[in-house]
Amino acid sequence: ELKVEQNPLFLSMQEGKNYTIYCNYSTTSDRLYWYRQDPGKSLESLFVLLSNGAVKQEGRLMASLDTKARLSTLHITAAVHDLSATYFCAVLRWAGNLIFGKGTKLSVKP
Amino acid sequence: GAVVSQHPSRVICKSGTSVKIECRSLDFQATTMFWYRQFPKQSLMLMATSNEGSKATYEQGVEKDKFLINHASLTLSTLTVTSAHPEDSSFYICSARGSEKLFFGSGTQLSVL
Repeated sequence: ELKVEQNPLFLSMQEGKNYTIYCNYSTTSDRLYWYRQDPGKSLESLFVLLSNGAVKQEGRLMASLDTKARLSTLHITAAVHDLSATYFCAVLRWAGNLIFGKGTKLSVKP
Repeated sequence: GAVVSQHPSRVICKSGTSVKIECRSLDFQATTMFWYRQFPKQSLMLMATSNEGSKATYEQGVEKDKFLINHASLTLSTLTVTSAHPEDSSFYICSARGSEKLFFGSGTQLSVL
């Protein structure tokens, strides 16, 4: 059974600081996704990581994937308040659906 | 623009009634769509996989007679919550695959009184 563990679950950051969210998964998968969710809203796609060593960056967010370690990271650089949201990683299951981590609630404070 | 449309965005109903939620892929055909449920401050839990022209595949613990799924066409899947009860109150989200990405609907907040 595929399990996805995400940590930390809560993250309070100061503006301008850097931090990393970790996502471990238990079985082999072809793809890993990162999503952002604002309160009461649906999911916004951030990154799709397809292969070992994949690194993608968008603004202050950078995601990487190590398929051998079954680990993905989402790195936040110089956080700003607008990044406050809940971030989910999700791993593609063989059936074509996603199994989600529990999410990391990020709060960026001045 | 949104590639997966989900309606309604919010519904309030009385206990015992049924509620239908629609999920449409707008500019692509989706032979498979997925339905998720999210309780407050929790993650998304897969409920079922909706297959066009065939029966849905439900995850363990999800009552198929309570959560009826119909995937009548390549662009439309519906989830009907039958005889809704307050414990069914949740945020329901559908998704559909388009190339390498999975697109999500805007979600439906169901509140059962």
